[in-house]
Amino acid sequence: TQLLEQSPQFLSIQEGENLTVYCNSSSVFSSLQWYRQEPGEGPVLLVTVVTGGEVKKLKRLTFQFGDARKDSSLHITAAQPGDTGLYLCAGSTGNQFYFGTGTSLTVIP
Amino acid sequence: NAGVTQTPKFRILKIGQSMTLQCTQDMNHNYMYWYRQDPGMGLKLIYYSVGAGITDKGEVPNGYNVSRSTTEDFPLRLELAAPSQTSVYFCASRTFGGRGDEQFFGPGTRLTVL
Repeated sequence: TQLLEQSPQFLSIQEGENLTVYCNSSSVFSSLQWYRQEPGEGPVLLVTVVTGGEVKKLKRLTFQFGDARKDSSLHITAAQPGDTGLYLCAGSTGNQFYFGTGTSLTVIP
Repeated sequence: NAGVTQTPKFRILKIGQSMTLQCTQDMNHNYMYWYRQDPGMGLKLIYYSVGAGITDKGEVPNGYNVSRSTTEDFPLRLELAAPSQTSVYFCASRTFGGRGDEQFFGPGTRLTVL
């Protein structure tokens, strides 16, 4: 089993603050994806990172893939209430995906 | 463009009953997946398919079966339902397009086994 651990599990912050979510594993992945999921809906892809050390920016969100392709981080700058949701990382080994345990983010106006 | 659709949205089963969760995608994706998500947790892969006629087990396949007779449809069968199968089930299709490797998820089926 390819275990992906996310931290923190829960995060409650004020609007305008910055935050970082971590996704760690002892396994190597060919790619890593970040999703956001809202209550009662399926996850929606935010980004896919493929190359070790890769950094991708999506507006206020910055994603990094570790050099050894075992871990990743998601940094949000100036969080907004619309960022509230469950953030999931998922590692790919080719045909299969292994999801992290999730980080539930609440941004308070 | 409907994307990935799942039926039913909700279902309550009694222990020992069987049912089929339906999943259809209209994007002509070869790869399709079934996941389950328990409360407050990430998703676990049940079964996946890389094309019509080809299926394979994921992390948690016990108690489930799948078939893939067409590109569009990927039904998940529960035989002899057990309380441990109470969960939210998501179907997804996968493409390697302009955004790279991407999964598209359906809205989910919330199943309760009593």
